[in-house]
Amino acid sequence: GAVVSQHPSWVICKSGTSVKIECRSLDFQATTMFWYRQFPKQSLMLMATSNEGSKATYEQGVEKDKFLINHASLTLSTLTVTSAHPEDSSFYICSARDSGTPSYEQYFGPGTRLTVT
Amino acid sequence: GNSVTQMEGPVTLSEEAFLTINCTYTATGYPSLFWYVQYPGEGLQLLLKATKADDKGSNKGFEATYRKETTSFHLEKGSVQVSDSAVYFCALSVAQAGTALIFGKGTTLSVSS
Repeated sequence: GAVVSQHPSWVICKSGTSVKIECRSLDFQATTMFWYRQFPKQSLMLMATSNEGSKATYEQGVEKDKFLINHASLTLSTLTVTSAHPEDSSFYICSARDSGTPSYEQYFGPGTRLTVT
Repeated sequence: GNSVTQMEGPVTLSEEAFLTINCTYTATGYPSLFWYVQYPGEGLQLLLKATKADDKGSNKGFEATYRKETTSFHLEKGSVQVSDSAVYFCALSVAQAGTALIFGKGTTLSVSS
């Protein structure tokens, strides 16, 4: 149980285009999901907290107009990188917290590698 | 504020060697503590966790004990295998459910046969 999927697993796009990444909790409901960004050989940096039915909370320094987050259902959150540039190339990882348990544990997706050319 | 400090890597060991990866934390209140592992090209997998002082988390031969007096959660394994080669992240979660994890910088472990 407690599986989180991400789609796509990797994507290459041209500079100036937009890319949407999906994060799904497959066997549980998640009112809260988190989006992280990981640069090569570095730790995960929290970008934003996605709450079902409400606006996402962005961390300081993260452009909310560039990284659009939508959490329209209890099992799906999407991250759209708008007008992507090469510096947006990174590994994006989502996690989800099971709303049905009191545990603080988060379940992570396998990540999406974005390359902007 | 809340933070996690891990020992710098990379850590290079021979198969069957003893492993210790140090992790200390700073937190308000009583955090839950976690170790995650990331294999090359993959996402994070929970390795073990502890939710209160003196708890010992264990999984796949790895162990870590929540030490409140030293604010530590060191990861240990008695005999590493080549397949343990990965990046290990120590993390904490503060009291409120729904808050994001705070990660250490990660420690790369490389095990050779």
